[in-house]
Amino acid sequence: DIVMTQSPLSLAVTPGEPASISCRSTKSLLHSNGHKFFDWYLQKPGQSPQLLIYWGSNRASGVPDRFSGSDSGTDFTLKISRVEAEDVGVYYCMQALETPYTFGQGTKLEIK
Amino acid sequence: EVQLVESGGGLVQPGESLRLSCAASGYIFSSYWMHWVRQAPGEGLVWVSRINKDGSTTTYADSVRGRFTISRDNAKNTLYLQMNSLRAEDTAVYYCARDVGGYYGLWGQGTLVTVSS
Repeated sequence: DIVMTQSPLSLAVTPGEPASISCRSTKSLLHSNGHKFFDWYLQKPGQSPQLLIYWGSNRASGVPDRFSGSDSGTDFTLKISRVEAEDVGVYYCMQALETPYTFGQGTKLEIK
Repeated sequence: EVQLVESGGGLVQPGESLRLSCAASGYIFSSYWMHWVRQAPGEGLVWVSRINKDGSTTTYADSVRGRFTISRDNAKNTLYLQMNSLRAEDTAVYYCARDVGGYYGLWGQGTLVTVSS
C-alpha cells in the first residue's frame, strides 16, 4: 500500500499568518493521464471532509485563493497564505492513484 | 441540489449485520464511481470500498474483504454497503463519496455505526 506521511500533526497559527502542511508519499502519484492523483481535504469540526485541492495543485470550486498546493516529486505541500478563523479543523492528504486509497494521519490546525 | 445522504447506521452487536444506503441527488449518479470511507471515533479517514459506474467491478480494503459488499442501484440513484459479521473495530462514521477521477468531489454527511455488546 502507498503510505502517506503528514507533518506536522498539529499547528497553532495566529490569524493573518501563513501556514504550511507537508505530505510525503512512498510512491510516485503520477497517473497515466498526466495528473498527480493527490488531494487535500479539510474536515471542519463536526462536519464531513471537504475537497480543497485536487490533482496536487488545483483549487476546488469555492475554495479561497489563500489556499494553494504544490509538489516536488513525492513531496506535497499545502500552503495557507493568511490563516483565518474559519480554517480550523483537520487537514488530510490522500492518494487516489491506486486502491487502497490512503490518507495521511491528519494535521489539526488551531488558531492562537 | 447536488448531495449524498447516508442512512442505515445504528447500534448492533458483534457478529450482526447492517446495510448502509447512500442516496444521490442532483446529478447523474450512474456517471461516477462511488466509494465508502470510514472514520473511527477520534481517528482519521480510512478507505473501505469502491464500485465502478455500472456495478460490475468492486474493490475492498483488506480489513473488510469477505464481510462487506458494496453495490449500487442506478435506477434508484443509491449506493449500498452490506456489512456482515460486524466487529467492534468496525465502529465508525461511514461516508459515501463521489469519485470524480482522482479525487472526491462530493461527500455525504456520514452515518454512525456502533458495534458493541
